Amino acid sequence: AQKVTQAQTEISVVEKEDVTLDCVYETRDTTYYLFWYKQPPSGELVFLIRRNSFDEQNEISGRYSWNFQKSTSSFNFTITASQVVDSAVYFCALSEAQGGSEKLVFGKGMKLTVNP
Amino acid sequence: AAGVIQSPRHLIKEKRETATLKCYPIPRHDTVYWYQQGPGQDPQFLISFYEKMQSDKGSIPDRFSAQQFSDYHSELNMSSLELGDSALYFCASSFGGEFYEQYFGPGTRLTVT
Repeated sequence: AQKVTQAQTEISVVEKEDVTLDCVYETRDTTYYLFWYKQPPSGELVFLIRRNSFDEQNEISGRYSWNFQKSTSSFNFTITASQVVDSAVYFCALSEAQGGSEKLVFGKGMKLTVNP
Repeated sequence: AAGVIQSPRHLIKEKRETATLKCYPIPRHDTVYWYQQGPGQDPQFLISFYEKMQSDKGSIPDRFSAQQFSDYHSELNMSSLELGDSALYFCASSFGGEFYEQYFGPGTRLTVT
């Protein structure tokens, strides 16, 4: 069965600090996809990134970067020089390729508060 | 760019009433997913449709039903509402049902009193 664990439930930092959000997943599939979503206080779910299981290249997008390591089943997300607008709940999610379903299984989420 | 549209955005119902939530996917998207997010919880998959056929089913109560219509919009029908049904209901859409990004709508906040 697939499972996503976000061990940190809540982090509070001061603006301009770097922060890393951990995500560990479990799956029996060899083909799967990993996602990060941001949920600001307004409630919508904002797509941040998708990574497939065959692509272990790290990715950087502005202040955001992602580190995917299959050896440790982790897909961590780092925000560099955090800003108040980064305050949100961040969800890591997994989707398996087999069975014809692309449903997302989410972690419990991590609430990030960035203080000025 | 067009996004996923959900209506209504807010809905207040009493116990044992029925509710219908609507979802209009991004144009050309043929796959729709429904998720339920309780207060302080992560989104939980309910059901999905690909080309108007149910493609997967999660932890959806028997009191709920859904369908996808010929124009690809989808409706989630909820009957005999219970207090525990109070949640944020998200619809997401994607193209091709092949692990493309699922784009989420703004959600419908259902409150059952």
